[in-house]
Formats: sequence, structure tokens, C-alpha cells
Amino acid sequence: NAGVTQTPKFQVLKTGQSMTLQCAQDMNHEYMSWYRQDPGMGLRLIHYSVGAGITDQGEVPNGYNVSRSTTEDFPLRLLSAAPSQTSVYFCASSYVSRYTEAFFGQGTRLTVV
Amino acid sequence: AQKITQTQPGMFVQEKEAVTLDCTYDTSDPSYGLFWYKQPSSGEMIFLIYQGSYDQQNATEGRYSLNFQKARKSANLVISASQLGDSAMYFCACTFGTSYGKLTFGQGTILTVHP
Repeated sequence: NAGVTQTPKFQVLKTGQSMTLQCAQDMNHEYMSWYRQDPGMGLRLIHYSVGAGITDQGEVPNGYNVSRSTTEDFPLRLLSAAPSQTSVYFCASSYVSRYTEAFFGQGTRLTVV
Repeated sequence: AQKITQTQPGMFVQEKEAVTLDCTYDTSDPSYGLFWYKQPSSGEMIFLIYQGSYDQQNATEGRYSLNFQKARKSANLVISASQLGDSAMYFCACTFGTSYGKLTFGQGTILTVHP
């Protein structure tokens, strides 16, 4: 059982470049989300989705786009990378339930130079 | 604003001893879920334990227990009989109201277990 798969694991971008972080889950979870982790700040929610075709902004959405065309996939797009987007990114999925935990991908370490 | 606070940036414990990691939360919503995650140096996020706001008893999972004090809005993680492999970053997180899956995280506590 693969769980939540994120690619790539590491990425270096130049300022102004664009890229897509991929996230896929095979647990039929309705809820998927993207977080970024910065030192001393825990994880902060970027965007989330409660099902195919439905997305919404989290706490720190600026500079990022998402779409959810299938239940399984939830890619995160950086349109024009900035050094402030240097971070570790996590994709997570869960059932839409108060009682269940979120499952996380392995993370993507992104550096923007 | 809904917020999670972990006031201990770092904690040290001797192997085989118990340790408590603090977490307080701020919400006026009567319905919420509290989670603890472990992040070892390899970077993955590992779910440890869950406590619902309506749960009457403190949650336990093996060596992990959650000291839930609703009136004080605290949800401290207790690790009994610490092991070297417990050295990691620990995050407290919460879902508020009907925002299932939408986690708000604390800043994290780095736990170091000494032999």
C-alpha cells in the first residue's frame, strides 16, 4: 500500500521558474492538502481540497495554485518561484472525519536560488 | 483566532525515563480534534495519538498517552520509558469545528533522548 506519494524529493529552482509538485494517494481519501514547513513555524496550510473539483485556500496561499481533477491527485504549482518559497513541502490526505489522522507524503525539499 | 502553542523548543530526557511535551490550544469551538505527530531526522510525519474534544478519557497508544485538560485547553503528550529512537521533532496539531483534515500545527518541540 503506497499511501501518499510525493515527487520530487528534492528540487532546486531559479527565481522566476515554475514547477509542479506532484501528490498522489491510493486510499480513496476525500481530503487532500498541501503544507509548507519552515523552521520555528511548524507546518502551515497552503491549499486544500475536500473532493475532486473543489479547492480552497489555506493560511499561506500566495504564489501557489492547485487543482483536483481526480480523487487521487492533488498537484501544487509554483507559477514564478521566489526565494521566500524555499521550504519543505508536505502533501497530506485523510477522510473527511474528525476522528481520523492525516497521512503525509515524504516531503519535498525545495530551494529557490 | 485558533492557535496551537508549544512552548518548549527543546527537551532532554534520559533513556527509560518519562517525558511530557506541552501543548495548549486556543479555540471557542466546542468541537475539535487534537493530534500528535513525530518527525524524525529522516523527515517523514508519523501519527502518534488522537484525542477528541468530547472524549471523556485520555487517549493512550502504547508508550504514548495524552494528558487532556479541557478546562485549561491543554493536550500534553506523555512518553513513558523513553527510547533513543524517540529523539525527534514532535508536533501538536488540531482540527477545529467541521474543518476535518485541516490541521493547525504548533511550532514543534525537539526531543533528545540521552543514553
